[in-house]
Amino acid sequence: AQSVTQLDSHVSVSEGTPVLLRCNYSSSYSPSLFWYVQHPNKGLQLLLKYTSAATLVKGINGFEAEFKKSETSFHLTKPSAHMSDAAEYFCVVSDRGRDDKIIFGKGTRLHILP
Amino acid sequence: DTGVSQDPRHKITKRGQNVTFRCDPISEHNRLYWYRQTLGQGPEFLTYFQNEAQLEKSRLLSDRFSAERPKGSFSTLEIQRTEQGDSAMYLCASSLAGIGNQPQHFGDGTRLSIL
Repeated sequence: AQSVTQLDSHVSVSEGTPVLLRCNYSSSYSPSLFWYVQHPNKGLQLLLKYTSAATLVKGINGFEAEFKKSETSFHLTKPSAHMSDAAEYFCVVSDRGRDDKIIFGKGTRLHILP
Repeated sequence: DTGVSQDPRHKITKRGQNVTFRCDPISEHNRLYWYRQTLGQGPEFLTYFQNEAQLEKSRLLSDRFSAERPKGSFSTLEIQRTEQGDSAMYLCASSLAGIGNQPQHFGDGTRLSIL
């Protein structure tokens, strides 16, 4: 069965410092993994996706994530936080065996301190 | 803008009333999904269509809920005899079926409030 665990419900960082949002997955097949961002009262925007090509994936707005099979992790990072990064972030897993079904984590709320 | 659009953005209604939401997917996308999101939670899958065929329904989708995609383009989600527990954000997404896992693209959602 597929599942995804976001290890922190809230993360606070100061503007200009690095961001780390943690995600662990469980999948019975080789997974595809995604990170989405959701700003208040908005839909979800795709940040990046991993689909078995390079293990280090670069996304939009300076975010990147590294797929580590040995650790079953797909943590999201950014070198320098910006105030506009304050939002909810969702880690998502999709089994390769099914390309039509995705499961969301519970989300991590990122707070940026001035 | 050629993204996924949802209408209305907000709906306030009294318990027991029927409501209908509409989703227009990205035009070339043949898959369309409905999700429900409550406060502090990630989206939960409700149902999805490939073209006009409804291929899967979640157990969350009680018999008060019905979704249609009659011509394989826009979709509607109807909730009959609304209850307090139906208050949530209803999100629509679309994607293109094909090789590999194509990401889903989301609309801004319809927020439903039941009085």
